[in-house]
Amino acid sequence: GAVVSQHPSRVICKSGTSVKIECRSLDFQATTMFWYRQFPKQSLMLMATSNEGSKATYEQGVEKDKFLINHASLTLSTLTVTSAHPEDSSFYICSAKSGTAAHEQYFGPGTRLTVT
Amino acid sequence: DAKTTQPTSMDCAEGRAANLPCNHSTISGNEYVYWYRQIHSQGPQYIIHGLKNNETNEMASLIITEDRKSSTLILPHATLRDTAVYYCIDNTDKLIFGTGTRLQVFP
Repeated sequence: GAVVSQHPSRVICKSGTSVKIECRSLDFQATTMFWYRQFPKQSLMLMATSNEGSKATYEQGVEKDKFLINHASLTLSTLTVTSAHPEDSSFYICSAKSGTAAHEQYFGPGTRLTVT
Repeated sequence: DAKTTQPTSMDCAEGRAANLPCNHSTISGNEYVYWYRQIHSQGPQYIIHGLKNNETNEMASLIITEDRKSSTLILPHATLRDTAVYYCIDNTDKLIFGTGTRLQVFP
């Protein structure tokens, strides 16, 4: 089946620094990738939709200047959390779509970000 | 926002069938019903999807009512590894997760 990886799986950074999370589709090309955030005991919240070669579309309430998304190739999207603060500590999950149907969307294992 | 409603939690004995209900009363004609699950601290896993007809695969069965306003995910023989949060979603182009049902399978 389709595989999506994320790197790193866990990261700890200091407040005020930036951290980059990578999302890769390993065995398929993904024209669309999605980024979600999940706080403890809560559901996944869609942050943005990223199409290869174009600007990401952010969901309402998500700061585009704080969460920079780059989708430079059909197999790689990156999320950069800029000037991180402790409240940005969360589980970040990406997904990649291999086709046009929603069920052709495959999720990565997630990245646990802790900001100290 | 998510358009589906599910019970917050359910328990099921190992080996028994787990029946997880979902209401999607505002589903439109071209929207599928999708089920995903998330085991603790992992990414969501696709289970099954359907439009109008009941569906079955190696993981589960999906029963959709004739009016399409609700559905039931059936895990025929639940195991301890099926303990997870189960999400029912009825969007088309984006997967918007609701609160899901936390299924606890006990020995």
